[in-house]
Formats: sequence, C-alpha cells, structure tokens
Amino acid sequence: AQSVTQLDSQVPVFEEAPVELRCNYSSSVSVYLFWYVQYPNQGLQLLLKYLSGSTLVESINGFEAEFNKSQTSFHLRKPSVHISDTAEYFCAVSGGSNYKLTFGKGTLLTVNP
Amino acid sequence: DGGITQSPKYLFRKEGQNVTLSCEQNLNHDAMYWYRQDPGQGLRLIYYSQIVNDFQKGDIAEGYSVSREKKESFPLTVTSAQKNPTAFYLCASSTLTPRGQETQYFGPGTRLLVL
Repeated sequence: AQSVTQLDSQVPVFEEAPVELRCNYSSSVSVYLFWYVQYPNQGLQLLLKYLSGSTLVESINGFEAEFNKSQTSFHLRKPSVHISDTAEYFCAVSGGSNYKLTFGKGTLLTVNP
Repeated sequence: DGGITQSPKYLFRKEGQNVTLSCEQNLNHDAMYWYRQDPGQGLRLIYYSQIVNDFQKGDIAEGYSVSREKKESFPLTVTSAQKNPTAFYLCASSTLTPRGQETQYFGPGTRLLVL
C-alpha cells in the first residue's frame, strides 16, 4: 500500500520569501511522484513530476522538487514566491501496476504582501 | 483545444434524488477516474476505468455508480444511498503505461450541494 503525508496543512509566507512544502511517502514498490496545484474552485494542474533520472525536477514557474529515496521525501521549494502562487498544493505518488494515484491531504500556501 | 470538461459546474440534489455528473475528454486517453474532494481530506478515488465497458471500485465507491460506454465519456451517478454527497467532484484521465508512470489530467470539477 502507498501513502503520502504532507506535513503542513497551511503555510503562510510573505511575498519574495523562500518556501518549502514538505511531502513524505511510503511505498513497497518503485514510485513516481507528482506535485499538483489547485487554485480556488478549479481542478488540479500538474506542477512537476519525478519518473526517473535526475532527482531534481523543475517547473516552468520557478518551483523545484527533489526526490530523496533514503528519506522517502519529495519536498517542493521556491526561492522567491509571488502573490499569484497562493493556492493549495497536493503531493501524490503512484507505482506498480494498479494505476492508482494516492494523494496527500494538501498544503494551503498563502502569500501575503 | 484538447482537454477534459465537466458539467455542470454546480449541482443541487434533493433528498432521495439520484444525480449524474458528466465528464468528457478529447485527449484520446484510455483511463478515466473520479475523485471526491472534501476540505482537509485531499482527493479520494471513487471509481476508475481503464477500458470501455469496464471499471473498478476505488476507495470510496459506496453510494456511487459509473458507466463507460464510450472512450470519451465517464459519467458518475451519485445515488440516494450516498448519505453525505456534498463535495467537490473531480474527473481525470490518463494514458496507460506498463508501470504506473502515467500523468493524470484533471477537469475543472463539479460542486455538489444538498438542498
């Protein structure tokens, strides 16, 4: 069975500050890891994903995440946030042959001026 | 434009009523999924389908039913047996890969409210 733990339900930060949203997972098989972002009353949008290769993955809007197998983590970081980054962020894991994506409970990032 | 559409955006259900949420995709994806989202709970899988005319229960299938008569369409019916249906419902689709590497793409969601 797979599980995902997002360690913070809410993260308030000031504009232009750095941010880290933490995600830990457990799985008995090789994993594929995803971060999705959800703006209010909208669906989820893929932010970035780790499938294989380099453990550091980046998105087009400045976010990055690092797959750490020994610590079973996939934390999301951004060196300088904008007001427009205010949203809920979900970490998810898949793997094996059951095609199921298991989500964490989400982290609400609020960027204040 | 390729994508996933869900309708309606808002849906109201009366006591004892069945309601159906629509999900259509033109991405030529084989797999489709229905999730329920409650505040602070993340997303929970209701049903998924990997091929036309076949579907499997997810983690919280009780009180819901689905059909997959066409590749493009995967409607979800919330039956009167679902006692707490108020939630945000999200449909997703993906290709299928041998080892679960597929990325799921989401529709804009339907918010179901009980009158």
